[in-house]
Amino acid sequence: DAKTTQPTSMDCAEGRAANLPCNHSTISGNEYVYWYRQIHSQGPQYIIHGLKNNETNEMASLIITEDRKSSTLILPHATLRDTAVYYCIVRITGSARQLTFGSGTQLTVLP
Amino acid sequence: DTGVSQDPRHKITKRGQNVTFRCDPISEHNRLYWYRQTLGQGPEFLTYFQNEAQLEKSRLLSDRFSAERPKGSFSTLEIQRTEQGDSAMYLCASSLQGLFEQYFGPGTRLTVT
Repeated sequence: DAKTTQPTSMDCAEGRAANLPCNHSTISGNEYVYWYRQIHSQGPQYIIHGLKNNETNEMASLIITEDRKSSTLILPHATLRDTAVYYCIVRITGSARQLTFGSGTQLTVLP
Repeated sequence: DTGVSQDPRHKITKRGQNVTFRCDPISEHNRLYWYRQTLGQGPEFLTYFQNEAQLEKSRLLSDRFSAERPKGSFSTLEIQRTEQGDSAMYLCASSLQGLFEQYFGPGTRLTVT
């Protein structure tokens, strides 16, 4: 699985958009980009995934660059409850293999 | 609630004791995973089941650890002769074959004193 690089921490003002970047320069053609988040003392929660097109769901939007070497998770209107560690993971969809988590980005939404 | 459940949520034990954790996955999910997470780190894979078959084990899973999923439904993770280094959050996740999304339980926090 391709390795990902994320900033250690970010702050965002409540009500503003939170943009979380992820670099995955070694991604291969059949690997998807997945985002999970982990709120303190809870299990990780699936957010969104994509291959090469931008994706949007009720939680977030995922923007993947044309060369697929990086992506950005966007929380359009961050709330205090979005404070969490956000993990960017790259892997082949449908694979039975385990998720490989990095250290993620600690997002703190400030009032 | 139809999510993944884990029991107990917290366990404090003395070094050398055995502990067992239980995970109940989402009912139609045939894949079940165990992860361990220490403070400040992302979860690390321990082992994985497809139905009742244990298909993969991490090198982190020493011989003091054993996991079962006897009827392809719930799973148990046992740690024998616990050590202080076993203190961690133990997470269970489940998924449907063919899909990537794994759904995690709330975890069991183990403290070995």
